[in-house]
Amino acid sequence: KNQVEQSPQSLIILEGKNCTLQCNYTVSPFSNLRWYKQDTGRGPVSLTIMTFSENTKSNGRYTATLDADTKQSSLHITASQLSDSASYICVVSEEMYAGGTSYGKLTFGQGTILTVHP
Amino acid sequence: GAVVSQHPSRVICKSGTSVKIECRSLDFQATTMFWYRQFPKQSLMLMATSNEGSKATYEQGVEKDKFLINHASLTLSTLTVTSAHPEDSSFYICSASTELAEAFFGQGTRLTVV
Repeated sequence: KNQVEQSPQSLIILEGKNCTLQCNYTVSPFSNLRWYKQDTGRGPVSLTIMTFSENTKSNGRYTATLDADTKQSSLHITASQLSDSASYICVVSEEMYAGGTSYGKLTFGQGTILTVHP
Repeated sequence: GAVVSQHPSRVICKSGTSVKIECRSLDFQATTMFWYRQFPKQSLMLMATSNEGSKATYEQGVEKDKFLINHASLTLSTLTVTSAHPEDSSFYICSASTELAEAFFGQGTRLTVV
């Protein structure tokens, strides 16, 4: 069964500090891995997306890494801000085909709830 | 980036009535759309996958007669919760996928059945 596991479940840090969130997956066949940020009561917003051949990708203060051999990914947040408080979700996609088109079937992690305190 | 618009953002309805939620891809054609349900402090749970012009594929345990999905065009999918009950109260999110398999999410709909 395809699974995505994230740790820690929740994390509290002080504003300005760095933090790293972890993601392990067993999804196969692997297409890509994404990190999303979800604010309470809103839909997820994409932070990064990495394919098999990419091992790091940055988006501002967010840097994601991917080790496809060990099936692990991390999301590093630098110089955290109060607005970083949200749920961070690791999502792994397997490529599916239906009706002649391809799409990614997503497996979601449970998310890490990050709280940044002043 | 691509935009997916979901409407309404919040809806309160009486038990036994039906509610329709719309999901539109505003600047791209979505070959595939997904509907998710999310309970508080939990991750998204896939309910169904729909491809334009064909019947939706429902995940195990999701009642297709209760959650009607219509994907009539490449830019619009609708989810109708029929005969809603309080246990249907939840946060519903759609996403739309491009041909490159990138997925973009709507803002979500908070459904409260009273």
